[in-house]
Amino acid sequence: GENVEQHPSTLSVQEGDSAVIKCTYSDSASNYFPWYKQELGKGPQLIIDIRSNVGEKKDQRIAVTLNKTAKHFSLHITETQPEDSAVYFCAAANTGNQFYFGTGTSLTVIP
Amino acid sequence: DAGITQSPRHKVTETGTPVTLRCHQTENHRYMYWYRQDPGHGLRLIHYSYGVKDTDKGEVSDGYSVSRSKTEDFLLTLESATSSQTSVYFCAIRTAGNSYEQYFGPGTRLTVT
Repeated sequence: GENVEQHPSTLSVQEGDSAVIKCTYSDSASNYFPWYKQELGKGPQLIIDIRSNVGEKKDQRIAVTLNKTAKHFSLHITETQPEDSAVYFCAAANTGNQFYFGTGTSLTVIP
Repeated sequence: DAGITQSPRHKVTETGTPVTLRCHQTENHRYMYWYRQDPGHGLRLIHYSYGVKDTDKGEVSDGYSVSRSKTEDFLLTLESATSSQTSVYFCAIRTAGNSYEQYFGPGTRLTVT
């Protein structure tokens, strides 16, 4: 099956700086790559996703890039704010039935 | 929150007892999923359903069974709970058509003593 690796496991940034989280995947058949934000005591929340036919997608301060050749994708958060502090998960899927998640990145934004 | 509720939200049970967790959705989504979340493992798929009475296994299905007799309810059963099944369990739905967007419920924290 698919194997998704996520780095770093923890990340601290100053408010206003950028944060980058990286994931790699192993199955070249994967074609959907979502990112989730999880706040303490809550379920993961979809924040952005990208399909394999697109190299980059942006939504306000959040962007995701995908490199199919290298099998890696990244989440970029610009102008970070304290409310961005959370655990972020990447995932990869093929058919839309089996989703494989990374192990998470705990992001802390220091005011 | 995509109209997803999970019950119970917290449960403590003893080893060897059966446990059933319920996921309920109000928006008639065809696809439903059960995941477990453990430190260092992220989320791992247990079972999923692609329609009433249609289910399939995920990567960590051993020790779990599921049932879906109505579109709105997806039940996860631990026939004989073990301490290794102590975890937080999340239900999710997937929106229809070519979209793969998943939305998660609030989770159930299960402790097996």
